Amino acid sequence: ILNVEQSPQSLHVQEGDSTNFTCSFPSSNFYALHWYRWETAKSPEALFVMTLNGDEKKKGRISATLNTKEGYSYLYIKGSQPEDSATYLCASLGSSNTGKLIFGQGTTLQVKP
Amino acid sequence: DGGITQSPKYLFRKEGQNVTLSCEQNLNHDAMYWYRQDPGQGLRLIYYSQIVNDFQKGDIAEGYSVSREKKESFPLTVTSAQKNPTAFYLCASSMRGGWDNQPQHFGDGTRLSIL
Repeated sequence: ILNVEQSPQSLHVQEGDSTNFTCSFPSSNFYALHWYRWETAKSPEALFVMTLNGDEKKKGRISATLNTKEGYSYLYIKGSQPEDSATYLCASLGSSNTGKLIFGQGTTLQVKP
Repeated sequence: DGGITQSPKYLFRKEGQNVTLSCEQNLNHDAMYWYRQDPGQGLRLIYYSQIVNDFQKGDIAEGYSVSREKKESFPLTVTSAQKNPTAFYLCASSMRGGWDNQPQHFGDGTRLSIL
């Protein structure tokens, strides 16, 4: 994988459903993986920065896992609420470049009440 | 309240005109970045600066220019050479350019359109 890819592109769920989406990134020369939440009419907000293989981070109902050997990260939202509706971006930082994050296209989540 | 301020929120450019987008931060961050977002695409890096008086081209630098004369400020000029400037532009900053595992902080963006 040469680019950062996110799937699905969009997702519609009912309030209370749990959901997850995937970020795939180049596994060679990996340094860090960032997750951001971008709500409409607001600026992107950092969720997690992950660096270690097997790492798992949690913030309220949102958690993320990291597999650096195979080059993927999962973001989980437990019991989705309408306020979780946003675009979720992941970005990879490689060790061979100079601090440049490579962003995926994002997964847009819509939670219906 | 620390943060990043981008102005203006909306900007219109006439053909052949250069326009400058402002980005100011009071977070005392060393690194600053400019991204462009087009529909259906991820954020693409235009220029970035790890330190005052130094900046590097990103992936889509053609038709753009920047300066970094002060730590707080990283203005982006969209020149007439940029043939497709209509997009949403985001400015970001980070403490040490990513190597300290700190996230980037973003402004609210500027939407640029062609008249």
